[in-house]
Amino acid sequence: EPEVTQTPSHQVTQMGQEVILRCVPISNHLYFYWYRQILGQKVEFLVSFYNNEISEKSEIFDDQFSVERPDGSNFTLKIRSTKLEDSAMYFCASSDYDTQYFGPGTRLTVL
Amino acid sequence: DQQVKQNSPSLSVQEGRISILNCDYTNSMFDYFLWYKKYPAEGPTFLISISSIKDKNEDGRFTVFLNKSAKHLSLHIVPSQPGDSAVYFCAASAMDSSYKLIFGSGTRLLVRP
Repeated sequence: EPEVTQTPSHQVTQMGQEVILRCVPISNHLYFYWYRQILGQKVEFLVSFYNNEISEKSEIFDDQFSVERPDGSNFTLKIRSTKLEDSAMYFCASSDYDTQYFGPGTRLTVL
Repeated sequence: DQQVKQNSPSLSVQEGRISILNCDYTNSMFDYFLWYKKYPAEGPTFLISISSIKDKNEDGRFTVFLNKSAKHLSLHIVPSQPGDSAVYFCAASAMDSSYKLIFGSGTRLLVRP
């Protein structure tokens, strides 16, 4: 069964450093998303991406964040200058219409 | 912003009995609702969904009921099995908002053998 994959599973970085989280969505899906879950909190929407552009972004998704689909398979989330409060699980999701399928997540730890 | 609420943080059920997980929402623009199951350190796994044009959707042991007038949905698991023990998230989306999902806070289900 097709699945969403994410790498790395765990990323540790120093505050102020740039990180890139990678996702391979399900191959025939057209809609791509990033969510995050801070420990003990809800899963929160960050950004949606369709037709090679951002379709919606949340207040969390400020100028430090960017997304890209550099080729036909990868979907990346870049955080330019990480802050302590960016520590969270980051989930990628994809859908062909209305049901989103999630990857296993990347645990980002900012020291 | 509590658009989707799961008021029960935990639920304990005997194996073989019914588990009922509840979810309330406030945004009348939501038109698609989903339930996800999640284990620690893993991503949410899609279980079942329902469109706002329906009031019930069934898939094996899982049934979701939607009461639009009450802005309430529930997930029934019958019969419950120990392997169902996990955190269950309710999520909602609206077609006019890129289908972004708004999640509830989750209910931890424990199915006792």
